[in-house]
Amino acid sequence: NAGVTQTPKFRILKIGQSMTLQCTQDMNHNYMYWYRQDPGMGLKLIYYSVGAGITDKGEVPNGYNVSRSTTEDFPLRLELAAPSQTSVYFCASSYSAHPDNEQFFGPGTRLTVL
Amino acid sequence: AQSVAQPEDQVNVAEGNPLTVKCTYSVSGNPYLFWYVQYPNRGLQFLLKYITGDNLVKGSYGFEAEFNKSQTSFHLKKPSALVSDSALYFCAVRGSYSSASKIIFGSGTRLSIRP
Repeated sequence: NAGVTQTPKFRILKIGQSMTLQCTQDMNHNYMYWYRQDPGMGLKLIYYSVGAGITDKGEVPNGYNVSRSTTEDFPLRLELAAPSQTSVYFCASSYSAHPDNEQFFGPGTRLTVL
Repeated sequence: AQSVAQPEDQVNVAEGNPLTVKCTYSVSGNPYLFWYVQYPNRGLQFLLKYITGDNLVKGSYGFEAEFNKSQTSFHLKKPSALVSDSALYFCAVRGSYSSASKIIFGSGTRLSIRP
């Protein structure tokens, strides 16, 4: 199993540009998450999904959109990039929402907005 | 409200010495507690978790953590540190009444092991 994969690994965007961060998992997990990690901070949840066709906002959803058309894929869309979105983005998945389930993380995408 | 605190930004330990990385938490209901490790340019990797039962939980790479309900703590420990343990460590918590979204991560503690 490849686990959780993310592309691209690095990206530089200009203000106002758009892009999609890709996330795929091959563990047949129902639950998927997008986090951002800023220096010296913990992870903050952007969006999450409990299954194909179902998504919901997390703690910091503004400026982002998601979709979940399949169990495997959970892309994150930035429509109008802003410098405040410079961060490292992690996708994660878990088998269920039960509180004792650990999450499996992808390697991250480092995004810089100039 | 749920919260988790890692009071130390950095912990420095000599190789071979014991190490402790501290974590305290606040949740509604019973806590589900996790430790994750992040190596440079990698995603977070699960180390261990406390659900219920024995207060001492053993995990990957020789790490263990001690759950203390009265002190609301879940400190990560290892009897003998290795240079390869140098990484960023995150404590995380969910309450038993949490939804899928309500896992809270601490700000992280950078562990540095000197040879």
